[in-house]
Amino acid sequence: EDQVTQSPEALRLQEGESSSLNCSYTVSGLRGLFWYRQDPGKGPEFLFTLYSAGEEKEKERLKATLTKKESFLHITAPKPEDSATYLCAVRRDNYGQNFVFGPGTRLSVLP
Amino acid sequence: NAGVTQTPKFQVLKTGQSMTLQCAQDMNHNSMYWYRQDPGMGLRLIYYSASEGTTDKGEVPNGYNVSRLNKREFSLRLESAAPSQTSVYFCASREDGYTFGSGTRLTVV
Repeated sequence: EDQVTQSPEALRLQEGESSSLNCSYTVSGLRGLFWYRQDPGKGPEFLFTLYSAGEEKEKERLKATLTKKESFLHITAPKPEDSATYLCAVRRDNYGQNFVFGPGTRLSVLP
Repeated sequence: NAGVTQTPKFQVLKTGQSMTLQCAQDMNHNSMYWYRQDPGMGLRLIYYSASEGTTDKGEVPNGYNVSRLNKREFSLRLESAAPSQTSVYFCASREDGYTFGSGTRLTVV
């Protein structure tokens, strides 16, 4: 069964304390791994797409990496405004119109 | 601003009542989607429309119907609401990655 898990479920960091979020997947025929940021009361906002193992993408304090079984979202020197829930999703080979979403990691960055 | 617009933002229904959630996108995307989001379960696909005039079931379609009114609009209807349909509903459109609306928080009592 195709599955996406994320860890930890919640993470509290002090401002400036770097860390990583994990997204593990068991999906046949991966056709893309997507990271989203979701603020309370809002819809998810697109961050990155990764297509192949070894690929990396960066945006400000965020860096996403991909292996054959998992993806990491590295947060360097986070600020309070980085507090949000981070979702990952995978696009499956045989279901071009369907994605599988993970449950998310709720990140809190304390000043 | 370009994007996906959903209405209403909040709704409370009594069990057995019906309602329609409206969604419109102005990005000229062919594909549109309805998801529900429940705590600890991630986003789950209810229905999608790959193009104008077509609709298909997703992972959790029971209790819902959809209409792709034109390229811009994709509505979700609950014919007889149940407490299990209490959730946050998101409409989205897509070329590569999704663009999501801001959500409808629905409570069925």
